Amino acid sequence: QVQLVQSGAEVKKPGASVKVSCKGSGYSFMRFGITWVRQAPGQGLEWMGWITDNNGNTKYAEKFQGRVTMTTDTSTSTAYMELRSLRPDDTAVYFCARLVTGISARFDPWGQGTLVSVSS
Amino acid sequence: DIQMTQSPSSLSASVGDRVTITCRASQTIYTYLNWYQQKPGKAPNLLIYATSTLESGVPSRFSGSGSGTDFTLTISNVQPEDFATYYCQQSYSSPPVTFGQGTRLEIK
Repeated sequence: QVQLVQSGAEVKKPGASVKVSCKGSGYSFMRFGITWVRQAPGQGLEWMGWITDNNGNTKYAEKFQGRVTMTTDTSTSTAYMELRSLRPDDTAVYFCARLVTGISARFDPWGQGTLVSVSS
Repeated sequence: DIQMTQSPSSLSASVGDRVTITCRASQTIYTYLNWYQQKPGKAPNLLIYATSTLESGVPSRFSGSGSGTDFTLTISNVQPEDFATYYCQQSYSSPPVTFGQGTRLEIK
C-alpha cells in the first residue's frame, strides 16, 4: 500500500537546524510531489510548502521563506525538509504527505509525523 | 491569502446523530475544497476532495457539498470512530494552501 514513513523525534536548541526525512513506498515516487505541514501542540494544521516533481521545483509558505529547504532523493524515494534557525515556537509535529494534483490538489496519504522540540 | 473559517469550533453529538460542519472561504474557491479527519496523536486522513468526491474506503455516511465560498461536511448516523477533529483545506489559490482551524466532534 502507499505509505510514507518519517524519521524519529528530534530535540534541538534554539538557533539549530533540523532535517526530517520522509520515505515513500508502494507507488511511483517520481510521479508525485511531497508537501510538508506542521502542527504545534494543541493547534491546527499549517502548510509549510511543497516540492512538486523530481526536478526539485518548490513553493514555500511566505512565513518560512529563507528558513526552509525541501528536497527529494529519487534514488531512495525519500523527501527531506530542513528548517534552520529554530525557535521555541517551531516546536511542533511535522508531517509529510503525498501531493495528489488534479481537480483539487490534496494530500494523501500522510506520514506518521515527526515531533521536533526546540528548547534551551 | 484565502482564509478558511470553520464552524462550529466544536460540537457534541450522540452515536446515530446527523452532524454538519461548515467551512467558509474568504473568496470564491469554486469547488477546490478538501476535508480531512484527524484523530488524537495521528496524522490527518483525507475524507473528501473537490467538495464532494469521497476518497476510496471512506464510508458513505460522509458527504460534502457546496461551491463558491460556502461548504459543508455532513456525517449521517455518526459512529463511535467518527469522533475526531475535522479540517477543511482550499486548493484553488495555492500556494499557499490554507486550512480551516478545525472542528472537534465530541461524544455527548
